[in-house]
Amino acid sequence: GAGVSQTPSNKVTEKGKYVELRCDPISGHTALYWYRQSLGQGPEFLIYFQGTGAADDSGLPNDRFFAVRPEGSVSTLKIQRTERGDSAVYLCASSLVVGGGWNEQFFGPGTRLTVL
Amino acid sequence: AQSVTQLDSHVSVSEGTPVLLRCNYSSSYSPSLFWYVQHPNKGLQLLLKYTSAATLVKGINGFEAEFKKSETSFHLTKPSAHMSDAAEYFCVVSDREYGNKLVFGAGTILRVKS
Repeated sequence: GAGVSQTPSNKVTEKGKYVELRCDPISGHTALYWYRQSLGQGPEFLIYFQGTGAADDSGLPNDRFFAVRPEGSVSTLKIQRTERGDSAVYLCASSLVVGGGWNEQFFGPGTRLTVL
Repeated sequence: AQSVTQLDSHVSVSEGTPVLLRCNYSSSYSPSLFWYVQHPNKGLQLLLKYTSAATLVKGINGFEAEFKKSETSFHLTKPSAHMSDAAEYFCVVSDREYGNKLVFGAGTILRVKS
């Protein structure tokens, strides 16, 4: 079946511009996560949605970053006034939520953001 | 707070020889531990997971890992490396106190020589 998809695959923008990154989770997955992977590092957690609401946004680096998931499916990560330090691969993952245990997160291919 | 330390940034082995990728973790609660693999230009894929059941965990493609609480380690091993194993490997921790948030190590790049 279809996995997690992310668009665009690559985004080049200029410093100060606004960007939106889109994530389409696996159908039926109620949990959705955003991570950021900078060059040479492991992914870092940004935000977690359970349904439409952000259950944990403790990883968002500052108020230029915002994410929404209005209908509990597709999510958009929005970055205002981009800075060169925002350049990274932005990863999205989704999972089922079954019981109180751990549920596997399935990752998309990522969006590579380059801020010039 | 949770954290993961991958002790080697690069590991190089010859095809057919054993693989050992080392990982130490820190967690204030009962952790779940994972290894993910990332092939060039491909998404992260789960190799194996430990979630408080058997301490020796078997994963895909012949990989396995052993959870050692006394050593706070979760090293990844494979008896015989294959060229297709060349990739970047991430050790990951998650614990109930922090929900399902994953905390990744910095990664180990595995090179397999023919």
